[in-house]
Amino acid sequence: SQQGEEDPQALSIQEGENATMNCSYKTSINNLQWYRQNSGRGLVHLILIRSNEREKHSGRLRVTLDTSKKSSSLLITASRAADTASYFCATQRDSNYQLIWGAGTKLIIKP
Amino acid sequence: NAGVMQNPRHLVRRRGQEARLRCSPMKGHSHVYWYRQLPEEGLKFMVYLQKENIIDESGMPKERFSAEFPKEGPSILRIQQVVRGDSAAYFCASSPPAAETQYFGPGTRLLVL
Repeated sequence: SQQGEEDPQALSIQEGENATMNCSYKTSINNLQWYRQNSGRGLVHLILIRSNEREKHSGRLRVTLDTSKKSSSLLITASRAADTASYFCATQRDSNYQLIWGAGTKLIIKP
Repeated sequence: NAGVMQNPRHLVRRRGQEARLRCSPMKGHSHVYWYRQLPEEGLKFMVYLQKENIIDESGMPKERFSAEFPKEGPSILRIQQVVRGDSAAYFCASSPPAAETQYFGPGTRLLVL
């Protein structure tokens, strides 16, 4: 069954602005991961945050995790047109275990 | 080190035919996962395999679908007697043992006419 739910479903912002996407999940997890998918293409792993971590940074990406609320957020700062894509969160109960995916947020960066 | 390879990238089948999707994991990866993505939706887990073993097939439909990962060669996802509802993108991912990150292939887009 679907674990994660992202909101918003779609987000359209101007280039240079920050984009924030949220993800909620239902069961206990070992880690939460964010992926990007460009239209009709494969998935690119962006960042992984473990259940004992609260915040993680990677370049222009900032991820937070609140296990008490079972939620995570992905912040993309100083957005670029190339960031236009769908962003998915996926949770994992343990290593070498299936990923449970949300429905994704479609992000459009307007030049 | 080549990434995860999937072929074919696009596959068109008529209802009732068989579809065979192949996945070659990254070198050194012994764990393979198959996911299905319907249009405008997230991925849904289908099956998790290690060499010659199915570890978790809880996401596989009970009929018409099967998967294998032989000792030699790629992992195969086989769909028999395809129906229009099987039209989707099928993604394979691989990982080494005791790993959290899965590396995805480009997917096979199956269209059933």
